[in-house]
Order: sequence, then structure tokens, then C-alpha cells
Amino acid sequence: DQQVKQNSPSLSVQEGRISILNCDYTNSMFDYFLWYKKYPAEGPTFLISISSIKDKNEDGRFTVFLNKSAKHLSLHIVPSQPGDSAVYFCAASVGSSNTGKLIFGQGTTLQVKP
Amino acid sequence: AAGVIQSPRHLIKEKRETATLKCYPIPRHDTVYWYQQGPGQDPQFLISFYEKMQSDKGSIPDRFSAQQFSDYHSELNMSSLELGDSALYFCASSLSPAGIYGYTFGSGTRLTVV
Repeated sequence: DQQVKQNSPSLSVQEGRISILNCDYTNSMFDYFLWYKKYPAEGPTFLISISSIKDKNEDGRFTVFLNKSAKHLSLHIVPSQPGDSAVYFCAASVGSSNTGKLIFGQGTTLQVKP
Repeated sequence: AAGVIQSPRHLIKEKRETATLKCYPIPRHDTVYWYQQGPGQDPQFLISFYEKMQSDKGSIPDRFSAQQFSDYHSELNMSSLELGDSALYFCASSLSPAGIYGYTFGSGTRLTVV
């Protein structure tokens, strides 16, 4: 049972344009949603997060939007840069759990073309 | 800044052998997580420790065991290795609860079972 889903395995955008990565979830108990970025041969790196009490969080070029009624979140990267090319994982956790373990989506490979 | 250190980076073992993976969390982090990422898959939660006690358990085979020591480093022991155990194994650490800050991953150990 995949609780966090990223239905687009890959995305290709032109440098300077907007990249939109999508994520859906099924567990209404999730309190926190996070995006991680992963380069080959490296561990995932925390990018940005959002609490379930908010609908938007912005950090520089990165903005995460949360639509709780649709159980959907998205990551917007504007403007996209070639260095953004990586695998992006959406993750979620239940804040009240004893560990806050993260449940990951399958990942979306973003390619930003110069 | 200190990061999560994993060793070894690469490990090749034969079927039915035993492997031990080590993880050194960020200083003062009290929670350690282990994840397994198979080829083309999302990271799957294996097990976590909070203050040296097992706090949560995921899809970890009975052939695997883990512990956290007094210096907070953790080891994942894998016995009777199978070809299907070939994967990237990530360790991560956090201050509990991870919540909105997520956790910090190490660079991973790539285990190849031949």
C-alpha cells in the first residue's frame, strides 16, 4: 500500500522555466510533508517542508503547496537551473508518532536542460 | 558541519554471508533511522532507535538486526544474505521528533550480493 505517491517518474524542463513536481498521499494522519533531493551516489538531502496547518511554504526558488482536501502537494522550482537536475522524493510523517518516521514516494527524476 | 557518516561506502558479499553496516549520527541527534533503497525504488523504512532503544520497526527481514550503542552509533547486521538484499542502505539521524525538519541522511552503503 503506497501511502505517498509520485505518479510522474520523470520531468524535463528548460532552464529558467518553472518545474512542478507533484505528490499525492492517502493517509490523512500525516502532519508533515517534506521534499528531499537526491543526486546519484549520495544520500537524500532535505530541501523544504510544510506543516499540515499551512497551505504554502516558500524558500528562495522553492515553494511547496499543500491541498489537504485533495491530499495533494506540489513543489515549484522557479527559475529552474541545470544544477536542480536530480531525483526528488516527496515524504510524509505523522507528527504524533513516537519516531516521526518518513514515508517516501517513488521519486521524480527532474532534468533541467540548459 | 558534521554529517551522518556511514561505512563502508561499498560492500560486496556472497550469498549466505553476513554483512555489518555502520552509522555515526550527527552529534546530539538522539534518533537513528535505517532505510533500504532497491534499484528504481523509494527508500523503505527498516528500523529506528531513540536514545539507544528500538523505537519503530518497518519492513525489516528477520535475518536483519540492528542496535544503537552507548556512543549513539548504530550497526545494521545482515545475515544469510540473498541476492535481493542488494540495495543502497541509508542511515539518517534527527533530534526527536523530526517533524518539520525531517532528518539528515548519510551517503549510504551500496551492498552488492553476488
